[in-house]
Amino acid sequence: EVQLVESGGGLVQPGRSLKLSCAASGFTFSNYGMHWIRQAPTKGLEWVASISPSGGSTYYRDSVKGRFTISRDNAKSTLYLQMDSLRSEDTATYYCATPDYPGITTTWFAYWGQGTLVTVSS
Amino acid sequence: DIQMTQSPSSMSASLGDTVTINCLASQDIGNYLSWYQQKPGKSPKLMIYGATNLEDGVPSRFSGSRSGSDYSLTINSLGYDDEGIYHCHQYYEYPLTFGSGTKLEIK
Repeated sequence: EVQLVESGGGLVQPGRSLKLSCAASGFTFSNYGMHWIRQAPTKGLEWVASISPSGGSTYYRDSVKGRFTISRDNAKSTLYLQMDSLRSEDTATYYCATPDYPGITTTWFAYWGQGTLVTVSS
Repeated sequence: DIQMTQSPSSMSASLGDTVTINCLASQDIGNYLSWYQQKPGKSPKLMIYGATNLEDGVPSRFSGSRSGSDYSLTINSLGYDDEGIYHCHQYYEYPLTFGSGTKLEIK
């Protein structure tokens, strides 16, 4: 059974940093692209970043480029999102997600974690 | 960026009804579209991928269709369990984008 478990969320002041983790199990992690998607309170879904199976290619939405870094450790089956220079508009529940189709990163999201809440406030 | 214009933003329907939710893509995305159902406090659940393909385990009451850049999710024989927010998503190119969501209430 595929499981994605996010951790690392919490309350952080504007301008500070936070690192999210997503522990994956139940599939061959190194074969799949991985993604972070967020949802601000009462708002819609917003794609944040993606990473290829090897980690060699990464993609970001414009509003987080230069501030967020997606990475992965295939030996530990874990996905990360390093978030620096946080802003109030980054407040959201952050989900990690993966497709049920290996290899490529532009796919649908078949599996989602339960999400971790990041609140940026002074 | 590809804009996904989703409509309606909310709707109310009765048990047994058939409803349709729409997403209009601002440019050609082929069949690179998926639909998700989200219940309060829960993660989204994949319902449809490739515009028309039903994800394993999703009831056949759900179906997806495409007409040009217009994509639709149709739910037949509505049940209480179908209540939630439905999101469309294009994965044709980066940045990946979602529609604004449709809140479906069952009367």
